[in-house]
Amino acid sequence: DTAVSQTPKYLVTQMGNDKSIKCEQNLGHDTMYWYKQDSKKFLKIMFSYNNKELIINETVPNRFSPKSPDKAHLNLHINSLELGDSAVYFCASSQEVRRTDTQYFGPGTRLTVL
Amino acid sequence: GESVGLHLPTLSVQEGDNSIINCAYSNSASDYFIWYKQESGKGPQFIIDIRSNMDKRQGQRVTVLLNKTVKHLSLQIAATQPGDSAVYFCAETYNQGGKLIFGQGTELSVKP
Repeated sequence: DTAVSQTPKYLVTQMGNDKSIKCEQNLGHDTMYWYKQDSKKFLKIMFSYNNKELIINETVPNRFSPKSPDKAHLNLHINSLELGDSAVYFCASSQEVRRTDTQYFGPGTRLTVL
Repeated sequence: GESVGLHLPTLSVQEGDNSIINCAYSNSASDYFIWYKQESGKGPQFIIDIRSNMDKRQGQRVTVLLNKTVKHLSLQIAATQPGDSAVYFCAETYNQGGKLIFGQGTELSVKP
């Protein structure tokens, strides 16, 4: 019954590796997001997709590539992982792309790069 | 303004007291504001929102106040309970596209 789910919850990997984080929402929403939360709890948007179309792409390194196979899924693939990529990554979704649509967040994926 | 430091601003209150969490937002063009609550190990959860044409909005035990003149937002929690312990974020937005700009966050600790 989880509205927005992410896998895995924890991800520990070596520098230079490539990894993916998956996100699924069962709310029937059209819009999905990826956020990064650093060690100081600062939360910043990375990407948003509306109905599989990229809407927001915040100056994120090219090593990060979101992929939306359908509007219920938004995955985040990260190439050549770096130490600074260590953070908690949150997926979120909203009914549509309007700014007043409430965003529902997933439980987060804690990525640790060694 | 924005404070930079190693630790989140913290607020410690006694159970049953009222809590006030403050937030300074950055963009005078922002016209929609939201408060989120993030419990340990979980994602942020919507609490209450307010549009810029209002200066106060009340929910269940929570009230949000907006002062556009000084770009200040506050969240008041009445009769604070241990379950209110969390990090609270304000967020602002000023355009379509769903881009939320989050504030620094305040850690609320409720003592029983």
